[in-house]
Amino acid sequence: AQSVTQPDIHITVSEGASLELRCNYSYGATPYLFWYVQSPGQGLQLLLKYFSGDTLVQGIKGFEAEFKRSQSSFNLRKPSVHWSDAAEYFCAVGLSGTSYDKVIFGPGTSLSVIP
Amino acid sequence: DTGVSQDPRHKITKRGQNVTFRCDPISEHNRLYWYRQTLGQGPEFLTYFQNEAQLEKSRLLSDRFSAERPKGSFSTLEIQRTEQGDSAMYLCASSSGHRYGYTFGSGTRLTVV
Repeated sequence: AQSVTQPDIHITVSEGASLELRCNYSYGATPYLFWYVQSPGQGLQLLLKYFSGDTLVQGIKGFEAEFKRSQSSFNLRKPSVHWSDAAEYFCAVGLSGTSYDKVIFGPGTSLSVIP
Repeated sequence: DTGVSQDPRHKITKRGQNVTFRCDPISEHNRLYWYRQTLGQGPEFLTYFQNEAQLEKSRLLSDRFSAERPKGSFSTLEIQRTEQGDSAMYLCASSSGHRYGYTFGSGTRLTVV
């Protein structure tokens, strides 16, 4: 069955430090991959997506992610974290077929930023 | 384009009552999705519409849950005979194709007391 794992439940970094959030997926084919961010009490906002081509993708707010097929990973990175980046981050896999078209989300990683 | 709107933002109901939530997607998007999110978890897929056709329902969606999207525009999610386990954030999203990513609404937080 398709699945998404995010090994880190919670991460704390200092403002200005670099960040990497891990994501691994299980899917038979090359999936569509996404990272979303959620602030408390809000819906999710798309940070970036990958579906083909260059395996290093750039997103909004200075985030980037790298698709590594051999490791079934799609880790999110940011070179310098800002206090406003504190939020919940979700990795997701997009599945498609003749009668379905949906995204499966990982459990999320909560990011805290120390001033 | 005002994004995806969900109404109400919060709903408190007594166990056994029926509740209905509304989602207004981005007008150009033909795909609409409902997800449920509990505290500390990622969103779980509930159901998916392409235009007015409901193409997939999760096994999470018991017989007490029903969703509609008349005329392929707004959608409603109804929960009958609510249970405490139904307490969650219900998220709606729309898309013109999931490879483009989803636009989410702010969600409806349901509390069953």
